[in-house]
Amino acid sequence: NAGVTQTPKFRILKIGQSMTLQCTQDMNHNYMYWYRQDPGMGLKLIYYSVGAGITDKGEVPNGYNVSRSTTEDFPLRLELAAPSQTSVYFCASSGLGTDTQYFGPGTRLTVL
Amino acid sequence: GEDVEQSLFLSVREGDSSVINCTYTDSSSTYLYWYKQEPGAGLQLLTYIFSNMDMKQDQRLTVLLNKKDKHLSLRIADTQTGDSAIYFCAVADSGNTPLVFGKGTRLSVIA
Repeated sequence: NAGVTQTPKFRILKIGQSMTLQCTQDMNHNYMYWYRQDPGMGLKLIYYSVGAGITDKGEVPNGYNVSRSTTEDFPLRLELAAPSQTSVYFCASSGLGTDTQYFGPGTRLTVL
Repeated sequence: GEDVEQSLFLSVREGDSSVINCTYTDSSSTYLYWYKQEPGAGLQLLTYIFSNMDMKQDQRLTVLLNKKDKHLSLRIADTQTGDSAIYFCAVADSGNTPLVFGKGTRLSVIA
């Protein structure tokens, strides 16, 4: 199992550009999450999903969109990138009955 | 909502024990985690404890939970330079609910 994979690893965007951060898990987990980590801070929840077709907002959803059309994939869309979205983005997943979330390696995004 | 607080910095000498503390506000938090993050890296789950436990030991790591005071601590015995990292406390209502993280404690180990 590859676990949770994220692409790209690094990206630099210009203000106003858009992009999609990809997240895929191969553990057949129902639950998936997107967190962001700002410099010197802990992780904050952006969006999460309890299954295909179901998503819900977290603490910091503004400026982002998500979709969950399959169990495996949970892409995060940034529209009109802003410097405030410079952060490291972590995707995670968990399955029914599991005690922990499995994290991907992260995507480091800089918006200039 | 839930709030998780940690002290930001801790400095210890190699070979000493380190104790990293965490407090949380929501008594419904039943899953309590400790993660380690090295510079530029992702999150490594170190250990976790359920709220019906007082203590959990895993090799050099000991987690203590005072549920009444909503206080969690991580003790690292015989701290090594390789333990230098940021340690995050995180809590959740279950294994499938989103985690709420503290800001992290930067542990520096002096040789």
